[in-house]
Amino acid sequence: NAGVMQNPRHLVRRRGQEARLRCSPMKGHSHVYWYRQLPEEGLKFMVYLQKENIIDESGMPKERFSAEFPKEGPSILRIQQVVRGDSAAYFCASSPPEKSYGYTFGSGTRLTVV
Amino acid sequence: AQSVTQLDSQVPVFEEAPVELRCNYSSSVSVYLFWYVQYPNQGLQLLLKYLSGSTLVKGINGFEAEFNKSQTSFHLRKPSVHISDTAEYFCAVSEGQAGTALIFGKGTTLSVSS
Repeated sequence: NAGVMQNPRHLVRRRGQEARLRCSPMKGHSHVYWYRQLPEEGLKFMVYLQKENIIDESGMPKERFSAEFPKEGPSILRIQQVVRGDSAAYFCASSPPEKSYGYTFGSGTRLTVV
Repeated sequence: AQSVTQLDSQVPVFEEAPVELRCNYSSSVSVYLFWYVQYPNQGLQLLLKYLSGSTLVKGINGFEAEFNKSQTSFHLRKPSVHISDTAEYFCAVSEGQAGTALIFGKGTTLSVSS
């Protein structure tokens, strides 16, 4: 039973390019959450999605960031026109649809903007 | 608004010594509390969680935590640490139903030396 799969593990982008981060939740999990971890900081919530729906995007920056979780395929976190301040580790977590607490996290994607 | 404070950013200890990592939270409603561990360049692994019931919660790897509602604390303890416990530890809180985002503390780096 594979865990939460994130790819790529490491991503280097030049300023102004686009970054696409992918997350495949655990089998049977239909809830996906994205978090960002800046150096010396804890994880900050970005967005919560269910299949084809954004449930809570209160933590997403207003510009350049978007997320989706299509009916088929992984969840995608997209960052357009990246800037140096976007350099961080981005973690995805998933949980099943029934009531439960706590989430299974992926190993993260470490984005470096040069 | 919820917040989580991890009072110590770094905790150095010797092998086989006891350790306590402190966590305080602020919330006006009932909360659910979690401790996660992050090894270098890996994702977060759930150590233990408090949802309801007994205030003493036992987790993996010999860790336990005690929920203290009056002091709004959820300190993590281990009676005897190993070198392999060296990692970053995060306390997190959520309110309400499943799907509510986790709010994380900034983390405590536990360094165990021989």
